[in-house]
Amino acid sequence: DGGITQSPKYLFRKEGQNVTLSCEQNLNHDAMYWYRQDPGQGLRLIYYSQIVNDFQKGDIAEGYSVSREKKESFPLTVTSAQKNPTAFYLCASTDTGELFFGEGSRLTVL
Amino acid sequence: AQSVTQPDIHITVSEGASLELRCNYSYGATPYLFWYVQSPGQGLQLLLKYFSGDTLVQGIKGFEAEFKRSQSSFNLRKPSVHWSDAAEYFCAVGAPSGTYKYIFGTGTRLKVLA
Repeated sequence: DGGITQSPKYLFRKEGQNVTLSCEQNLNHDAMYWYRQDPGQGLRLIYYSQIVNDFQKGDIAEGYSVSREKKESFPLTVTSAQKNPTAFYLCASTDTGELFFGEGSRLTVL
Repeated sequence: AQSVTQPDIHITVSEGASLELRCNYSYGATPYLFWYVQSPGQGLQLLLKYFSGDTLVQGIKGFEAEFKRSQSSFNLRKPSVHWSDAAEYFCAVGAPSGTYKYIFGTGTRLKVLA
């Protein structure tokens, strides 16, 4: 079955550590996205990529980095510069206008 | 500025009652319109979408939504709510062409009473 796989589902990090969240899709979609979700704030766009080797900052890119070396993969690194990284992170992709989402990764900073 | 407003943060309905979740948007042109549903700790699932054409759209799980251009609204409805509909619902808009940038509302959490 086609879909988006995010891993890990749960991740704990100590302050000062970088962590990388994985997002893989087998839908053959060109565009991929990373969103951050906090209670009561909906989804906020971190980064998006419309094509391999190209990506753009979203509304809250500070403290995050991404790469898009392969069409099917769009990993997100949460760096130590991110002041409040505890959140639920969602990856999505699209090719027809509607977004398809992964199951999310919950990051907790200890 | 482009925005999506879901004025109801929480809604509680009894099982079997009808449901309407409100969504208003501010956008330069008629955008693509979406409703998504999210269960706790899960990703978002598309309920329905409007791109063009008939302003009343049918979705999965018995949901429907009506696009009203004059009111910049895209309200979600269901005639009879089931306990399994308890979840959080998000309205979203997207650019009709070119860059696929999306704006999400802050969500409405639905509670269903048995």
